[in-house]
Amino acid sequence: AQSVSQHNHHVILSEAASLELGCNYSYGGTVNLFWYVQYPGQHLQLLLKYFSGDPLVKGIKGFEAEFIKSKFSFNLRKPSVQWSDTAEYFCAVTGSSNTGKLIFGQGTTLQVKP
Amino acid sequence: DTAVSQTPKYLVTQMGNDKSIKCEQNLGHDTMYWYKQDSKKFLKIMFSYNNKELIINETVPNRFSPKSPDKAHLNLHINSLELGDSAVYFCASSQEAVYGYTFGSGTRLTVV
Repeated sequence: AQSVSQHNHHVILSEAASLELGCNYSYGGTVNLFWYVQYPGQHLQLLLKYFSGDPLVKGIKGFEAEFIKSKFSFNLRKPSVQWSDTAEYFCAVTGSSNTGKLIFGQGTTLQVKP
Repeated sequence: DTAVSQTPKYLVTQMGNDKSIKCEQNLGHDTMYWYKQDSKKFLKIMFSYNNKELIINETVPNRFSPKSPDKAHLNLHINSLELGDSAVYFCASSQEAVYGYTFGSGTRLTVV
């Protein structure tokens, strides 16, 4: 079955700390991977996406993610977080075999202390 | 201009009522979706329409009925509302899923 697993449910960091959020997926076939962010009370916004080429992708607001095919992983990183990064982060996958359905992980709540 | 707009933003209603949520996108995308986000923030797809044709229909009670009058609109009608229907419902659209979805701002439905 297609699924996405995010290891960290709740992460608390101080400003300027480095961030890495884990994401593993289970999917047969070519995958397209995404990270979305949901700020409190707002809709989901696309942070970055991977669908081919360089496995290290850069997104908005200084975020990046690395696709490691052998590990079925797509971890999100940021070298130095800010208080404004406090939000819910979702990893998601879609691919050639599921009619475009975007499957989400359960989300990680990031709390950044000023 | 809002790319994907949903109305209403908040909806409080009693059990047993029938309600509708509207969604419109001005991006020219061919595919639209409804997702449900539960109290634990988990997002699950409910329906997907491509150019007015239903292509994804997950295990959703028959009380939920999507309607797409044209490819820019996808409405969600819910009959006989139950307490468990309380959630945030997100509409989204995409041209091709590989490029990701654009989400609306969500409708917070509270059934009392």
